[in-house]
Amino acid sequence: SYVLTQPPSVSVAPGQPAKITCGANGIGSQTVHWYQQKAGEAPGVVIYSNENRPSGISERFSASNAGNTATLTISRVEAGDEADYYCQLWDRNLGHVVFGGGTKLTVL
Amino acid sequence: QARLVESGGGVVQPGRSLRLSCAASGFTFSNSVMHWVRQAPGKGLEWLSSSSFDGKTQYYADSVRGRFTISRSNSRRVLSLQMDSLRLEDSGLYYCAKDPSHTDPNHLDFWGRGTLLTVSS
Repeated sequence: SYVLTQPPSVSVAPGQPAKITCGANGIGSQTVHWYQQKAGEAPGVVIYSNENRPSGISERFSASNAGNTATLTISRVEAGDEADYYCQLWDRNLGHVVFGGGTKLTVL
Repeated sequence: QARLVESGGGVVQPGRSLRLSCAASGFTFSNSVMHWVRQAPGKGLEWLSSSSFDGKTQYYADSVRGRFTISRSNSRRVLSLQMDSLRLEDSGLYYCAKDPSHTDPNHLDFWGRGTLLTVSS
């Protein structure tokens, strides 16, 4: 079964890139999705199927997935990007949707 | 525009039962996998259960298997979660979410705003 490990927090200055990792053995063979949850709001998907951006999501959001780590990258972070970010996959063997523990992104 | 509205939350004693509902509109509900996800106060997202488009296949997290039952009415466009033998640790905000997939879960592309459950004696 997959346990998705995310750093609890990441802090970045405005205009700098932010990288949020999601680690698990062999995650590169899985399809990973990323969600943003701002304070007091429901989550929303920012990246689906490893690297795809839904319509309306800024091009500053990108992601990769290889080996044992999936990574969400936000280029040129803005104050409005401050939120909790979660990775997620479908563990077909167990029949479970799995979420990472979440990473709080703080914009300094 | 998709819309999901959860209802049925409230305050309930441990050991009691409660049924949550999620009214769907703005998309083809009968074609979509649907999910329940909860979030305890100040904590992360916890997936609970998913239903295939026709309700014939259900998936459950270990923490709720045998206590919670997911179901759906495609004619009424409603997703439900029957919760029995509630525990203190079941407290949280319960989200309903849709999936673009037809059969197996994939990702949760639209979420409701949630309904709050408090389990307390």
